Amino acid sequence: DAKTTQPPSMDCAEGRAANLPCNHSTISGNEYVYWYRQIHSQGPQYIIHGLKNNETNEMASLIITEDRKSSTLILPHATLRDTAVYYCIVRVQGGSEKLVFGKGMKLTVNP
Amino acid sequence: GAVVSQHPSWVICKSGTSVKIECRSLDFQATTMFWYRQFPKKSLMLMATSNEGSKATYEQGVEKDKFLINHASLTLSTLTVTSAHPEDSSFYICSAALVTGGFTGTQYFGPGTRLTVL
Repeated sequence: DAKTTQPPSMDCAEGRAANLPCNHSTISGNEYVYWYRQIHSQGPQYIIHGLKNNETNEMASLIITEDRKSSTLILPHATLRDTAVYYCIVRVQGGSEKLVFGKGMKLTVNP
Repeated sequence: GAVVSQHPSWVICKSGTSVKIECRSLDFQATTMFWYRQFPKKSLMLMATSNEGSKATYEQGVEKDKFLINHASLTLSTLTVTSAHPEDSSFYICSAALVTGGFTGTQYFGPGTRLTVL
């Protein structure tokens, strides 16, 4: 079973920041938080991952709370092409390496 | 970097035939590859994990004799759906990861293969 919970859907206006929440209250100390997204009929796309520090790359920023029980993926300037299902996944680095996909959250960016 | 390809992107076959799907890591060597299946409006379900040069590890409920996996090189894994039936129609997606120092890195996914069995 997935160890994260996400709202089923969210809308965002084009050009605005999209803040996607994820709860992972049972996360272990050696588990990373990964974010992927899947645009319709395509394979998932890796976005970002982190352990406890905030992370930023060219796609997004990942903010992890100090207690690590939740995180927020931030798309700073959402575009229509960011419309997708976003998956927040916790995964042990160096363990079984499995990615367990939950239901994810459908982000719809509106013009 | 970190590009994974799949071939074919879609395939239609008759019931009872076998279908082979290829997964390639184009710009890195993938010690470990994963095969997922996704039904319409559902999430991805892991089918099996394959390590280069060894037998694949199948998830519970996945028939290893029906879904043959071969990972003969560090850049290629194949999934063969044997004696396909209409219920095998699905979106098959592979991912590839590099294992360094015993740690599996980020998984990168292929674009998927849509299989339709008539």
